[in-house]
Amino acid sequence: DVKVTQSSRYLVKRTGEKVFLECVQDMDHENMFWYRQDPGLGLRLIYFSYDVKMKEKGDIPEGYSVSREKKERFSLILESASTNQTSMYLCASSHRTGWAYGYTFGSGTRLTVV
Amino acid sequence: AQTVTQSQPEMSVQEAETVTLSCTYDTSESNYYLFWYKQPPSRQMILVIRQEAYKQQNATENRFSVNFQKAAKSFSLKISDSQLGDTAMYFCAFMKLSTGTASKLTFGTGTRLQVTL
Repeated sequence: DVKVTQSSRYLVKRTGEKVFLECVQDMDHENMFWYRQDPGLGLRLIYFSYDVKMKEKGDIPEGYSVSREKKERFSLILESASTNQTSMYLCASSHRTGWAYGYTFGSGTRLTVV
Repeated sequence: AQTVTQSQPEMSVQEAETVTLSCTYDTSESNYYLFWYKQPPSRQMILVIRQEAYKQQNATENRFSVNFQKAAKSFSLKISDSQLGDTAMYFCAFMKLSTGTASKLTFGTGTRLQVTL
């Protein structure tokens, strides 16, 4: 069964901490994505990557960075966590022809910044 | 930029009944794809159905079907014979095809569907 795995289901961090959210896929997908999900706002794209070491900003990149050193792994980094980054974070991946099959999602990391 | 609007934050339906979730979108593109995703309490996003904009025929997947009105930019989801397991958040999403980079999904704000006995 193909999978996108997010390293933590729940995470609590302190304001100002550097936070790493990890995502690994086993489908040899070229594309990987990070979204945040907030009530009433739906899913908003933070960053995405279409190849190793390639990354592009999404709609809300401020306060975040990403890293993709290997094809199967895509990390989201909160350089200095703030309370307004408390959210659900969803990782997803897709084949290069993402329109054919849509995305495969991980089960999310609920991050609380205190 | 594309926008996706889901005007029904919450809906409720009785088991075995039919329910329709609304979605409208705004785009100047002519070639694109539309999706419905389901997110149950487990949080796992599941693809329910997809529609190619160039196809006039509405997509169907078992009890799930869409009413795609391209001119009106409307993409509603109909769930027939609702089951308790259909209880979930449903997201409508739009994908514009991109070259040289990833094709991205733009999501609506979601509709929370509750199926009751």
